[in-house]
Amino acid sequence: SAVISQKPSRDICQRGTSLTIQCQVDSQVTMMFWYRQQPGQSLTLIATANQGSEATYESGFVIDKFPISRPNLTFSTLTVSNMSPEDSSIYLCSVEGGDSYNEQFFGPGTRLTVL
Amino acid sequence: GENVEQHPSTLSVQEGDSAVIKCTYSDSASNYFPWYKQELGKRPQLIIDIRSNVGEKKDQRIAVTLNKTAKHFSLHITETQPEDSAVYFCAASRKGNEKLTFGTGTRLTIIP
Repeated sequence: SAVISQKPSRDICQRGTSLTIQCQVDSQVTMMFWYRQQPGQSLTLIATANQGSEATYESGFVIDKFPISRPNLTFSTLTVSNMSPEDSSIYLCSVEGGDSYNEQFFGPGTRLTVL
Repeated sequence: GENVEQHPSTLSVQEGDSAVIKCTYSDSASNYFPWYKQELGKRPQLIIDIRSNVGEKKDQRIAVTLNKTAKHFSLHITETQPEDSAVYFCAASRKGNEKLTFGTGTRLTIIP
């Protein structure tokens, strides 16, 4: 499976500010996904990012709050804008990989705390 | 959209015994069902998956069963060991719409 890295691994931010999270993959992938995992909760898909097109957002998530870039087949960024304490979560990127379709592998995550 | 329910939310098992976690899904078009293991502070790790063209898949001590008619699938861990302690998530997706919908998770504790 692909090797996936994320930066930063963790951050503590003040409310009202923005943070950009980077996801880097060691091989070219068509689809990249961004998930949120609130403390003690399951994973919720924020958006799907395909290279060369606008990200597709899930219900409850909007581009103004979570802008995404996908400049090439190995890299994506997620920005959490105008943060509030409710945005404190782990943010994970994932990519398709493996031997066949649908298999997804996760990056190590970014632990965000908003004060 | 897809809805995945997972039970139980917590499970404690004596070391050496078996553990079973169950999930149900709502979208009859779903055809891919992975299971992830997440240890504390770590990323979710894919441990086994099953597609709708098979009813059962096994990998050493781990097995997954799928009942398409009833729209439920289960994870079976035999001869449990302390390192099996983690949170387990089931998920579902369908070809052509690869996004995963996750269950709520099961915290499995293996009692030595």
